[in-house]
Amino acid sequence: NAGVTQTPKFRVLKTGQSMTLLCAQDMNHEYMYWYRQDPGMGLRLIHYSVGEGTTAKGEVPDGYNVSRLKKQNFLLGLESAAPSQTSVYFCASSYDPGELFFGEGSRLTVL
Amino acid sequence: RKEVEQDPGPFNVPEGATVAFNCTYSNSASQSFFWYRQDCRKEPKLLMSVYSSGNEDGRFTAQLNRASQYISLLIRDSKLSDSATYLCVVSPFTGRRALTFGSGTRLQVQP
Repeated sequence: NAGVTQTPKFRVLKTGQSMTLLCAQDMNHEYMYWYRQDPGMGLRLIHYSVGEGTTAKGEVPDGYNVSRLKKQNFLLGLESAAPSQTSVYFCASSYDPGELFFGEGSRLTVL
Repeated sequence: RKEVEQDPGPFNVPEGATVAFNCTYSNSASQSFFWYRQDCRKEPKLLMSVYSSGNEDGRFTAQLNRASQYISLLIRDSKLSDSATYLCVVSPFTGRRALTFGSGTRLQVQP
């Protein structure tokens, strides 16, 4: 079973460039999330979605946009990348808010 | 004050030892509590939920103290494979709100 798949797994950007991270889940989960993880900071919620067509801001939404046009996909966009967005990004999905299933992570470096 | 606080460690223990981690949370309205495990450079995975009455899963015991607003994880008979970072996770209420992760406590079990 694929579970939660994130693409790309690695990416290097220059300041000001844009990119989109794709998250796909095949478990028919309603809830999907984007987190970023930085050393010493733990996982911080960027945006989340409680169903197709809905999105909501998390703890650190600035500089990011998201879309959930299809239930199985949750896209995270960076319109103008900044070095502060260098991080590991994790997508997760869940049937209820308790048990999250995570993707393997996407490592983004912004130069 | 962080919503969820953990001692980052590392806790270095010999095989067979018993080790305990605590985690404090600031929101007294929090309803759901979990421990996740994260191996180095991997995604987090649910280890166990924490119930009001406490719960045990093999060598792992989790307890909740609502009065003092902390949860604990006890690992008995530590194995080398237990080496990982343990994330304390809290949900403010049972519902759609996303989880809040602590920064994690690193455990290193040594032969």
